Amino acid sequence: DVQLLESGGGLVQPGGSLRLSCAASGLTFSDHGMAWVRQAPGKGLEWVSTISGNAKNTHYADSVEGRFTISRDNSKNTLYLQMNRLRVDDTALYYCATDVGVTSHFDYWGHGTLVTVSS
Amino acid sequence: DFVMTQTPLSSPVTLGQPASISCRSSQRLVHSDGNTYLNWLQQRPGQPPRLLIYKISNRVSGVPDRFSGSGAGTDFTLKISRVEVEDVGVYYCMQSTHFPRTFGQGTKVEIK
Repeated sequence: DVQLLESGGGLVQPGGSLRLSCAASGLTFSDHGMAWVRQAPGKGLEWVSTISGNAKNTHYADSVEGRFTISRDNSKNTLYLQMNRLRVDDTALYYCATDVGVTSHFDYWGHGTLVTVSS
Repeated sequence: DFVMTQTPLSSPVTLGQPASISCRSSQRLVHSDGNTYLNWLQQRPGQPPRLLIYKISNRVSGVPDRFSGSGAGTDFTLKISRVEVEDVGVYYCMQSTHFPRTFGQGTKVEIK
């Protein structure tokens, strides 16, 4: 079975940094583009960023461009999200998901890691 | 950006009755590879999203056949032929043809 396990969330002050990780198993990791999607409390889903399977291409939402950096280590089957200059409105549950796959997109999702930005 | 607009935002349904959710995109969603990456996701209370339908009408393995997707161009529909208790939750359309990926606002399906 495919598993995506996020970690690294927590409470951070505005202006601070956090690094999220997503450990993948049960799939050929390098065959999948990977994404971060977030959900603010009581709100809908918001795409944050995507990285291609070979890590050569990255894309960001305007709301995080220049502050967040997505990366991956295919030797460790792990996806990362470095979040800098965090703002209160970055508070959300951050999900890791497969993006572009062999036949479909967004097949698999983790359970999320909670990021709270507050003073 | 490709704005995805869902209607209705709330759908109270009697058990065993059908439900229908519409999703309209601000622009066509045809990829350069010829596919239209319009997906439907289900989010049950307290759970992560789950892919139900991909490329407009393809049901993911294990998804009950009471769920069906249709549409073309900029207008798409998710139908549940007979709503069951386990279908309660929020349903999102999303497009993964273009960047940025975008989601509809979500439609809450609940039992009357």
